[in-house]
Amino acid sequence: DIVMTQSPDSLAVSLGERATINCKSSQSVLYSSNSKNYLAWYQQKPGQPPKLLIYWASTRESGVPGRFSGSGSGTHFTLTISSLQAEDVAVYYCQQYYSTPSTFGQGTKVEIK
Amino acid sequence: EVQLVESGGGLVQPGGSLRLSCAASGFILNNYEIHWVRQAPGKGPEWISYISNIGTTTYYADSVKGRFTVSRDDARNSVFLQMNSLRAEDTAVYYCVREHYDFWDVWGKGTTVTVSS
Repeated sequence: DIVMTQSPDSLAVSLGERATINCKSSQSVLYSSNSKNYLAWYQQKPGQPPKLLIYWASTRESGVPGRFSGSGSGTHFTLTISSLQAEDVAVYYCQQYYSTPSTFGQGTKVEIK
Repeated sequence: EVQLVESGGGLVQPGGSLRLSCAASGFILNNYEIHWVRQAPGKGPEWISYISNIGTTTYYADSVKGRFTVSRDDARNSVFLQMNSLRAEDTAVYYCVREHYDFWDVWGKGTTVTVSS
């Protein structure tokens, strides 16, 4: 199984400041035949299901604000919130869908400083 | 509106069974592959099962293999998860999730399963 490791486990950021979350996979999730990274990012608020933010490592889901962006390739990925808003307080997960079983990182809790 | 709605959760004793349902609305379910994912209290999501769009291929996590069975009824636009020999560690919120060109784009709100005596 591919192990997904996120860092940090939690972070506190001031409103309007940048938040950066890292995700590392134990093996590459880049599929050479189509050059796509099989990596997604989700946001989860209490009592709600995970919400898809980013897929293919950097493609923003429809309706997701532009302050969310994803980058990286192979085994190292980053989710950036460029200007943190109050409604962004949540737990964020990365997920690889390159191979079965699909696996998730342990989550990063984002709070307001 | 495109959505998935889970039902069938509840309180069950260890060794008991439950059958979860996942009903689709706003889209034709048999065009899509479906996953079941669970999330134990305070933990991250855990993938547990997959069924292909025509139901001929299924996969299971090792943690549930031999105890859980996924199926689908396209006439009812629904997917099911039969859970037998339930254990305390199966306690979680269970979600069904739509796969769309490999990534997962639609999650249901979940149904809660509690295994306790």
